[in-house]
Order: sequence, then C-alpha cells, then structure tokens
Amino acid sequence: GENVEQHPSTLSVQEGDSAVIKCTYSDSASNYFPWYKQELGKGPQLIIDIRSNVGEKKDQRIAVTLNKTAKHFSLHITETQPEDSAVYFCAASGSARQLTFGSGTQLTVLP
Amino acid sequence: NAGVMQNPRHLVRRRGQEARLRCSPMKGHSHVYWYRQLPEEGLKFMVYLQKENIIDESGMPKERFSAEFPKEGPSILRIQQVVRGDSAAYFCASSPGAPPGTAQHFGDGTRLSIL
Repeated sequence: GENVEQHPSTLSVQEGDSAVIKCTYSDSASNYFPWYKQELGKGPQLIIDIRSNVGEKKDQRIAVTLNKTAKHFSLHITETQPEDSAVYFCAASGSARQLTFGSGTQLTVLP
Repeated sequence: NAGVMQNPRHLVRRRGQEARLRCSPMKGHSHVYWYRQLPEEGLKFMVYLQKENIIDESGMPKERFSAEFPKEGPSILRIQQVVRGDSAAYFCASSPGAPPGTAQHFGDGTRLSIL
C-alpha cells in the first residue's frame, strides 16, 4: 500500500521567514495530494491540494509543488505569522482511495 | 454553512462497554470516511462509506468495530467491548464525490478515553 514520509517533524521559524515541509510517497499511482493544518483540539483543516497533472499551485502565502518523477511534494509558507503555528500533515491518495497521511510537522512561528 | 459535525466531542467509557460515535457530513456530501489518530501521530484510515453502503473497510479491525451510514441520519462508528488501546481521537470526513481526487473535509473529532 501507500507509504507517506514527512520531514521535518518539528520546525521553528522567525515571524516573516518562510517554512518548507517535504513529503515523499511510494505509490506511483497516487494522483491527489492535499495538505492539512491541525490546531490543538481541532480537526484537520484542508489548506491546499494538488493533483498530479499540475506541478505547482499557489494560494496567497501558501504554495505546493509536486515532482511526480521523484515522488515528492512540498508545502511552502511565505511571510509566516504566529497564527500559522500548528501541526501540518501531508497526504496522498490514488489506487487506494483513502488518504494516507504523513506523520505531521509541528510548525512554530516565533514572534 | 455547517461543516462536518461530530458528537460527542469527548467520550469516556470503561473497559468492556460500547462506544458510539456519530458524524453528520457537510450538506450535499454523500461520502463519509472515518480515521483514527493516536497522540502525536498522523491519521490512519479506517472505513469509507457511501449512503447505506460500506465501500472500503480495509483499515478497520475485523472484530469489535463496525460502521454504518443509513439512508437517514448520521454515520455511526460503533466499538463494542472497548479496551484501553481504543483510546484515541476519531475523526470523520466527508466529500461531495468519490475518491480519489475529491477534497475531504474533517470534523473536530471525538476524543475517546477508556478507563
């Protein structure tokens, strides 16, 4: 089945700096890659997703890139703010219809 | 514009009791998924249902766990004869279309504690 690895597990950045989180996946048939933000005591919130026919997608300060050949995808957050502090999860799905999640990245934005 | 609603938010059970977790999907969504999250871990898929049908239950333990999504009413995840290892956060998600490739939106979960 699909296996998704996520790095780093923790990330601290200064307010205003950029943050990058990387994920790799194992199933070459995977074609949908969402990113979720989870705050303490809440459910995961979809922040951006990308499909395999697209290499990059941007939404304001958030961007995701996908390299299908290397089977990895990344989340980029620019001009970070304290409210960006949360746990971020990548996920993948394809031949297995359910989402397979990475293990999460605890992002801390220091004021 | 209600999102995915889960209740209860917190549930405490003693070993051997039954736990029932409920999920109402977003309006217009007929696809429901259940995931389990252990502390400081990612979410693990359990089951995918469409109205009145279980589509994929490959992530659900064969014993004690069952799920349903009736024609009327919320989806129910039922855990019989709970054990300490069932303590976790259980999240429900819904989507308007079939996976893969359709966005899944999550509720805020049910935190299950087993005494």
